[in-house]
Amino acid sequence: KAGVTQTPRYLIKTRGQQVTLSCSPISGHRSVSWYQQTPGQGLQFLFEYFSETQRNKGNFPGRFSGRQFSNSRSEMNVSTLELGDSALYLCASSGTVQETQYFGPGTRLLVL
Amino acid sequence: DQQVKQNSPSLSVQEGRISILNCDYTNSMFDYFLWYKKYPAEGPTFLISISSIKDKNEDGRFTVFLNKSAKHLSLHIVPSQPGDSAVYFCAASANSGNTPLVFGKGTRLSVIA
Repeated sequence: KAGVTQTPRYLIKTRGQQVTLSCSPISGHRSVSWYQQTPGQGLQFLFEYFSETQRNKGNFPGRFSGRQFSNSRSEMNVSTLELGDSALYLCASSGTVQETQYFGPGTRLLVL
Repeated sequence: DQQVKQNSPSLSVQEGRISILNCDYTNSMFDYFLWYKKYPAEGPTFLISISSIKDKNEDGRFTVFLNKSAKHLSLHIVPSQPGDSAVYFCAASANSGNTPLVFGKGTRLSVIA
């Protein structure tokens, strides 16, 4: 069974731009969560989707948004990029909300 | 306020010896705990989990111990191997895994041959 895939793997943007990251969960998984990893803060929860509905949202500004499609694929969008948004963005999927989460390799975003 | 703390940023252990990674939590509602391992340029890999109804869970070389009264859990790796060198994250969830995972900041384990 294929694992969680994330595209693109690397991205360079400039301040003020927007970016869209994509995540394809493990086949059959309906829950997708997004995390931001930075050296100082570790992994911080962004949001979680289950069956196209956002179930939980972390403490991030409204510039961070996401959505989930009917095939469980998910996208997250960051608008008006700031230097501090440079991070590794990780997506994780699970069969249901309560099951173990499996992570993708991440998208490394660099904002210049 | 950090709800899950891994107070040791790094740990070095000789190959063949035991590695003990520690994690403390403050939220008494947490009832499900997990350990993930992360290599550079890869996403975290699930290692082992434990629910608050248990105090120990074992899977091969990996054992997790949970002390609810002390709000402390530890991951034991025996014997340690060079391939175990990675960053280890402790994570916790409440309501039987029904709330978002809260992660510690990680401990970098180096196993020296």
